[in-house]
Amino acid sequence: QVQLVQSGAEVKKPGASVRVSCKASGYTFTNYYMHWVRQAPGQGLEWMGIINPSDGRTTYAQKFQARVTMTRDTSTSTVYLDLIYLRSEDTAVYYCASPIAAAGGGFDNWGQGTLVTVSS
Amino acid sequence: DIQMTQSPSSLSAAVGDRVAITCRASQTISIYLNWYQQKPGKAPKLLIYAASNLQGGVPSRFSGSGSGTDFTLTISSLQPEDFATYYCQQSHSTPRTFGQGTKVEIK
Repeated sequence: QVQLVQSGAEVKKPGASVRVSCKASGYTFTNYYMHWVRQAPGQGLEWMGIINPSDGRTTYAQKFQARVTMTRDTSTSTVYLDLIYLRSEDTAVYYCASPIAAAGGGFDNWGQGTLVTVSS
Repeated sequence: DIQMTQSPSSLSAAVGDRVAITCRASQTISIYLNWYQQKPGKAPKLLIYAASNLQGGVPSRFSGSGSGTDFTLTISSLQPEDFATYYCQQSHSTPRTFGQGTKVEIK
């Protein structure tokens, strides 16, 4: 079955950077785009960007353009989210999600989420 | 960017009630509209994709309708396990924007 397994929780200081990983299994990794979505405590869902695992091409939300990088490693079926210059407002749960079986782009598979806490 | 506006932001309902949540897009998105359910501490779960298609394993009391800019998620008979927050999301274009969420609480 499809699984997206994310790396563990992180605690970072303001100004630092963080890397979150998402390892995919149970399907052909390069056939489906991967998205990153975050959710600050008590807040809604915020789309961050998308990566095509086949060629590595990315599109980022304007808000994160200067601070985010999404990459992939096809040998391990893993995508990575790097966020730099962290600030307290980046404290959130970060999810990877992929539209695999649902037509029209609905995210039918999600990772379990990675809590990133930014605090001095 | 396409803005997604849900209403209401929250509602109180009793078990057995019929509940409707609306979502409006700031521009036409055809049927590229998805609905998610999220419970505390859990990842969102896809309920409806492409406006009206029920995701596998989702109970038939959930239904979606609409096209263009106006969409509705309906729960025909609210069950205890349905108390959660619901989000719409457009998949017409990037950024893949979400609505602000509707929290469904027990009356």
